[in-house]
Amino acid sequence: QQQVKQSPQSLIVQKGGISIINCAYENTAFDYFPWYQQFPGKGPALLIAIRPDVSEKKEGRFTISFNKSAKQFSLHIMDSQPGDSATYFCAASGNDKVIFGPGTSLSVIP
Amino acid sequence: GAGVSQSPRYKVAKRGQDVALRCDPISGHVSLFWYQQALGQGPEFLTYFQNEAQLDKSGLPSDRFFAERPEGSVSTLKIQRTQQEDSAVYLCASSLGTGYNTEAFFGQGTRLTVV
Repeated sequence: QQQVKQSPQSLIVQKGGISIINCAYENTAFDYFPWYQQFPGKGPALLIAIRPDVSEKKEGRFTISFNKSAKQFSLHIMDSQPGDSATYFCAASGNDKVIFGPGTSLSVIP
Repeated sequence: GAGVSQSPRYKVAKRGQDVALRCDPISGHVSLFWYQQALGQGPEFLTYFQNEAQLDKSGLPSDRFFAERPEGSVSTLKIQRTQQEDSAVYLCASSLGTGYNTEAFFGQGTRLTVV
């Protein structure tokens, strides 16, 4: 009941394309859904986050779509660039816990 | 400093050795979290501090793991009698707010290898 599922495990996108990563959670008490970007040898860095009172949030090329009834949320990276190549983690948190997804390795090829 | 600082960056320990990992959070941040990240996996929660109080240690995998934050700033994660399964990257994160559902900033982590 406490898992956060993330797909795909890996993703290859051409430069300029749209990268889409999906996550699903089970605990309806979760109320904060961040996405992190992690480069090799570095710690995760917060990209964008959403709370369940909105269905979409956009910051630059990054958009979160949130479907509360389906308990799903996704990250869209528009105009993907080679510099976006990294591992992306979704997370879900509430009052008493935070759980990360297993990660998606994104490769953006020129 | 400007960000969360962890030391050492790399640690090799012989099985059975005790290790201590340090985290310097962003100045003024109330909340501090420790995570364990196995290779190719997402971070897994270990423990949470609000100032000097350890409010949640439910993620610590065994009683060999111990964390402290005595003055509400620097934190140390100690692992006693290390085992090979303890090999992982240990991440520290801090947050200005309280609780799990606030914006957290991560350090670069300490990569622990137990041989």
